[in-house]
Amino acid sequence: AQSVTQLGSHVSVSEGALVLLRCNYSSSVPPYLFWYVQYPNQGLQLLLKYTTGATLVKGINGFEAEFKKSETSFHLTKPSAHMSDAAEYFCAVRTSGGSNYKLTFGKGTLLTVNP
Amino acid sequence: GAVVSQHPSRVICKSGTSVKIECRSLDFQATTMFWYRQFPKQSLMLMATSNEGSKATYEQGVEKDKFLINHASLTLSTLTVTSAHPEDSSFYICSARALAGSRNNEQFFGPGTRLTVL
Repeated sequence: AQSVTQLGSHVSVSEGALVLLRCNYSSSVPPYLFWYVQYPNQGLQLLLKYTTGATLVKGINGFEAEFKKSETSFHLTKPSAHMSDAAEYFCAVRTSGGSNYKLTFGKGTLLTVNP
Repeated sequence: GAVVSQHPSRVICKSGTSVKIECRSLDFQATTMFWYRQFPKQSLMLMATSNEGSKATYEQGVEKDKFLINHASLTLSTLTVTSAHPEDSSFYICSARALAGSRNNEQFFGPGTRLTVL
């Protein structure tokens, strides 16, 4: 079975500071990993994903994440936070070839950006 | 990117009534649609997976008779909450996965439906 752990339910940064949101996963087969962003009362928007190949993945809005198999991690970073980045962020794992491509989500990390 | 819509976006109903939520893939055909439930400040919990033309597969602990799912076409799935009660109040989100081999099998999420049962 697969699982996702997001360390820190709430992260607060100053505008312009580095954003680091942590995600660790558990999977018995090679995983596909995703980061989604959710704004209040909205659905999820895909930020980036890792499937195969290059372990450093770049996404939208200046975010990137690095797949580290040895650490079973897929942390999300952004060099400089913007006020518009304030939102809930979810890490998710999908086992490649899994039945119906189900996603397992972490509990989410709320990012607040202080002026 | 692909667009998935949900209707209604918000619904308030009385206890005991049934509510239907629609999920549509607007610019692609979806082999599979997923229904999630999200409680305030919590993660998404998968309720069920539906494939076009076949019965939905429900996750453990989800009452299939209470949450009826129909996936009648490649662009439409519906979730009906039957005999709704206040504890069914939640944010319901659907997602759709494109036909195999297209759009990288990615799931595209709808904007969600806020259900409040009085």
